[in-house]
Amino acid sequence: VQVDQSGTEVKEPGASVKLSCKASGYTFTNYYIHWVRQAPGQGLEWVGLIDPNDGATTFAQKFQGRVTVTSDTSTSTVYMHLSNLRSEDTAVYYCAREITRGLPGTYRPLGYWGQGTLLTVSS
Amino acid sequence: EIVLTQSPGTLSLSPGERATLSCRASQSVSSSQLAWYQQKPDQAPRLLVFGASSRATGIPDRFRASGSGTDFTLTVSSLEPEDFAMYYCQVYGSSPPFTFGGGTKVEIK
Repeated sequence: VQVDQSGTEVKEPGASVKLSCKASGYTFTNYYIHWVRQAPGQGLEWVGLIDPNDGATTFAQKFQGRVTVTSDTSTSTVYMHLSNLRSEDTAVYYCAREITRGLPGTYRPLGYWGQGTLLTVSS
Repeated sequence: EIVLTQSPGTLSLSPGERATLSCRASQSVSSSQLAWYQQKPDQAPRLLVFGASSRATGIPDRFRASGSGTDFTLTVSSLEPEDFAMYYCQVYGSSPPFTFGGGTKVEIK
């Protein structure tokens, strides 16, 4: 199992960004993918998740309306689009696959992590 | 939303000593829905233990999770040099959001 993320991004406040997360080594549609971010020197913050099988998503309330996550089953890639960027969005964004497949509607710990994408929002 | 509070913020210990890390939840959590991660500088987090007592692949048995209800503990029985890092707890299961605790840093004394 491998999870590879896109490279560093630098954006101005108010802009949007699209981060990618390419999975390999397993059946892409069988496992939920989560997004977690970490601001400089801070802890981990759960952003949301997607079921690559049907595209269903769930987000933490603070991100609702500003984040979109999609999946492309033809390339086994998940994308996170974050709009109306502000300086507080400066962070490393990780995508991660659950360690095992749970029952539908139940979620498992994050066993396989990407290397992270640094997003800097600055004018 | 379940809030997880980790303590202490920093734990200063020597190699060979026992580390006891606490994670307290704002409401009752099943022991089968609490995970612990380790993170070293400039690295992605790594899953250590989850559920009541399951260790992820390759995790040595000196890492042990325990607890129930609102109080959970990660114990490292005898610290190795590679164990000095940040540790986070996380709740998972059927009800998002799947929040993380604020973390405990285990540093060399």
